[in-house]
Amino acid sequence: DTAVSQTPKYLVTQMGNDKSIKCEQNLGHDTMYWYKQDSKKFLKIMFSYNNKELIINETVPNRFSPKSPDKAHLNLHINSLELGDSAVYFCASSQPGSNTEAFFGQGTRLTVV
Amino acid sequence: QQQVKQSPQSLIVQKGGIPIINCAYENTAFDYFPWYQQFPGKGPALLIAIRPDVSEKKEGRFTISFNKSAKQFSLHIMDSQPGDSATYFCAASRGATNKLIFGTGTLLAVQP
Repeated sequence: DTAVSQTPKYLVTQMGNDKSIKCEQNLGHDTMYWYKQDSKKFLKIMFSYNNKELIINETVPNRFSPKSPDKAHLNLHINSLELGDSAVYFCASSQPGSNTEAFFGQGTRLTVV
Repeated sequence: QQQVKQSPQSLIVQKGGIPIINCAYENTAFDYFPWYQQFPGKGPALLIAIRPDVSEKKEGRFTISFNKSAKQFSLHIMDSQPGDSATYFCAASRGATNKLIFGTGTLLAVQP
């Protein structure tokens, strides 16, 4: 029974395409995140939502648009994909408040060709 | 100010050895310092975490040492095993946003 699940696990697409990654958590958490892990394994936060409300929006190109239809889901839509978008994207969730554990999904490896 | 510096980049130890991974931060507003373990093809998973009012925390074979005045913290893995081979990330966050600032990662290989 997966706690944070992402689909798809792998995504290969051409430059210029639009794609979406879906994330669902069954932990009952109010807060969800998107992190990007680059080819050097560096992890950086992109967005955070608390109960469907955007609370963190790092300096991410506006081609990236998160959408949270409810507090258990946080999807990531990417327009006009570029080669530099190739990375592993992780969804995560946590309880709200300070110092709470973040649970990560298995990641989506996006390859733009 | 938002960075967390991590070293070494990679580490090889023999089974039973004690690998030590070090991290340093600048922002004194950070109030939560977790360590995450990541296996290939998997997402990071919380290993152990510490708050700045504590100088050491042990959970099983894993120990965090925290030096608030030096703004440094480290992970020690006692009696390391081949199954501990993974990438380890230190991180820091502050306040209610739980925005994790990650170090650059350490690839640990424990040889049998």
